[in-house]
Amino acid sequence: DIRMTQSPSSLSASVGDRVTITCRASQSIGAHLSWYQQRPGKAPDLLIFAASLLHGGVPPRFSGSGSGTEFSLTISSLQPEDFATYYCQYTHNSAWMFGQGTKVEVK
Amino acid sequence: QITLKESGPTLVTPTQTLTLTCTFSGFSLTNNGEAVSWVRQSPGKALEWLALIYWDDDDRYSPSLNNRLTITKDTSKNQVVLTLTNTDPVDTGTYYCAHSVGVAVRGFYYHGLGVWGRGTTVTVSS
Repeated sequence: DIRMTQSPSSLSASVGDRVTITCRASQSIGAHLSWYQQRPGKAPDLLIFAASLLHGGVPPRFSGSGSGTEFSLTISSLQPEDFATYYCQYTHNSAWMFGQGTKVEVK
Repeated sequence: QITLKESGPTLVTPTQTLTLTCTFSGFSLTNNGEAVSWVRQSPGKALEWLALIYWDDDDRYSPSLNNRLTITKDTSKNQVVLTLTNTDPVDTGTYYCAHSVGVAVRGFYYHGLGVWGRGTTVTVSS
């Protein structure tokens, strides 16, 4: 089974900061990786699929990169509405496992 | 416009079977590439992927819950049903269903859960 590991588990940042979250797969998954944002009390929102493709309506300050086992989500200039928890997910073939999440908090 | 809505009991007694229904609109689960997944979240915890069913009836399950989960679809009713047997208080949480459709990119199909229901809260307690 493929396991997804995110780092860090939490981070503190300020509005305008550039933020990068990393996701590592236990074996190569090509580009079969999605990223989600979840605000408290809400269902998650898809940000990125196929490792780097922006889902419709997602602001371009979000970007994804990577392939194989190492992936990253970058927010180029953090906005107030971006303080939330972010999850990566393997989305192919076997179990569509999530990472454990990264909480982005106000510094 | 794609919408999904979860329904089911709010309270379940331990060891009972939990049955949740996802009723959707805006797509057909008979079309090539379509899939519906179930995800849950215990209070204060991370998202946990549970199961997935594809348009062709192929299905996938969480390895840790495989022997307790069953996912089925009823295309005539536009519904996907998840059953979880032998429930325990650790199964308490919010259960979401979500839609994905495979997008072809450079010869490969890629998925992402693009539309989610609002979730239904289930408490397992005696």
